[in-house]
Amino acid sequence: GDSVTQMEGPVTLSEEAFLTINCTYTATGYPSLFWYVQYPGEGLQLLLKATKADDKGSNKGFEATYRKETTSFHLEKGSVQVSDSAVYFCALGGGSNYKLTFGKGTLLTVNP
Amino acid sequence: ETGVTQSPTHLIKTRGQQVTLRCSSQSGHNTVSWYQQALGQGPQFIFQYYREEENGRGNFPPRFSGLQFPNYSSELNVNALELDDSALYLCASSLAETSGRTNEQFFGPGTRLTVL
Repeated sequence: GDSVTQMEGPVTLSEEAFLTINCTYTATGYPSLFWYVQYPGEGLQLLLKATKADDKGSNKGFEATYRKETTSFHLEKGSVQVSDSAVYFCALGGGSNYKLTFGKGTLLTVNP
Repeated sequence: ETGVTQSPTHLIKTRGQQVTLRCSSQSGHNTVSWYQQALGQGPQFIFQYYREEENGRGNFPPRFSGLQFPNYSSELNVNALELDDSALYLCASSLAETSGRTNEQFFGPGTRLTVL
């Protein structure tokens, strides 16, 4: 079945550092790929998405590129801020399929 | 535009009891999905409702059941609660096209269920 493996955390960075959170997936067909963010005590917010191979999703300085050849969708940001501290989830969703399959999440803490 | 809302925010139950959680979908959305997020884990898909019928189910036992109403709101019912049912329950709404393809899911803030 479908599965998502993402980098184990926690990740601790200083403000303005470069961020990479690795995500790889296993899926049949051609899934859409997502990054969600969860701030403390809140639900999930969609950060970015990509619906086909080589698409790049971007939002709020975060980027991720859908790499079919390596089945990856790594999240990057050039300069993190304290306000980026949260848990980040990589997820995949099938075409007409209905469900999202999530990774276990990566806790990011950014120190001033 | 009203987002996805869930009630209650927190709930404490004892083992063996039954619980009902509620979700109001975002305006214009016709599909509701439910997820269980255990502490420190990613959300796990429970089931989805479309046109008031179950439209797919994850690996959860039958004591997890749901409903969708004509206004697209939804309920999640869990019978015979077990300690392992303690989790954050997330509802997500989306708009399914006539082709059946489901677009982006928007999540509510969740209901924190504690089973003692």
